[in-house]
Amino acid sequence: DTGVSQNPRHKITKRGQNVTFRCDPISEHNRLYWYRQTLGQGPEFLTYFQNEAQLEKSRLLSDRFSAERPKGSFSTLEIQRTEQGDSAMYLCASSLGQPNGYTFGSGTRLTVV
Amino acid sequence: GQNIDQPTEMTATEGAIVQINCTYQTSGFNGLFWYQQHAGEAPTFLSYNVLDGLEEKGRFSSFLSRSKGYSYLLLKELQMKDSASYLCAVWNTDKLIFGTGTRLQVFP
Repeated sequence: DTGVSQNPRHKITKRGQNVTFRCDPISEHNRLYWYRQTLGQGPEFLTYFQNEAQLEKSRLLSDRFSAERPKGSFSTLEIQRTEQGDSAMYLCASSLGQPNGYTFGSGTRLTVV
Repeated sequence: GQNIDQPTEMTATEGAIVQINCTYQTSGFNGLFWYQQHAGEAPTFLSYNVLDGLEEKGRFSSFLSRSKGYSYLLLKELQMKDSASYLCAVWNTDKLIFGTGTRLQVFP
């Protein structure tokens, strides 16, 4: 197992375009989390899945954001009609639950121009 | 509400000891984690405390006082490679809530 994999590593997009990121978790981990991190800040929780069920969404997650984990394996995070404020690092993590903590992927850095 | 506070920046000298404090007020608490994050990289797990007291792991130790809502990370024998951000995070029911992180710079 190669850990948590995120693609792409970097994405530059024009304001108003849609973008989609992918996360492949560690195979035996049933929980998958998405976070957003801006420069100088800690990761902010966006949403999480247990298997294929999306169990919680942050109030930070506007209607332009949607996440799926259709077969309980990989997950996608889509941002529609991107805005400059969406520029951030999007981190995915997977877990077996407390107390093991998370294993993070390397993130997808989004720049909206 | 959720509030996790850490100093924004700290500096220290190679070979020294540094203590990074974290205070928290959260609606739930099931444990406290510390992560290290180098610039442009993913956070990596350092330590976990669920009971009061000190957990030691090589050069790194972490302390928890649940009654005071307080934790610290102690780094000994600092090395240049320890220059990074250190994230305090509370396990709240079913997810981690992170503080803003403390950027540590180690100078020769």
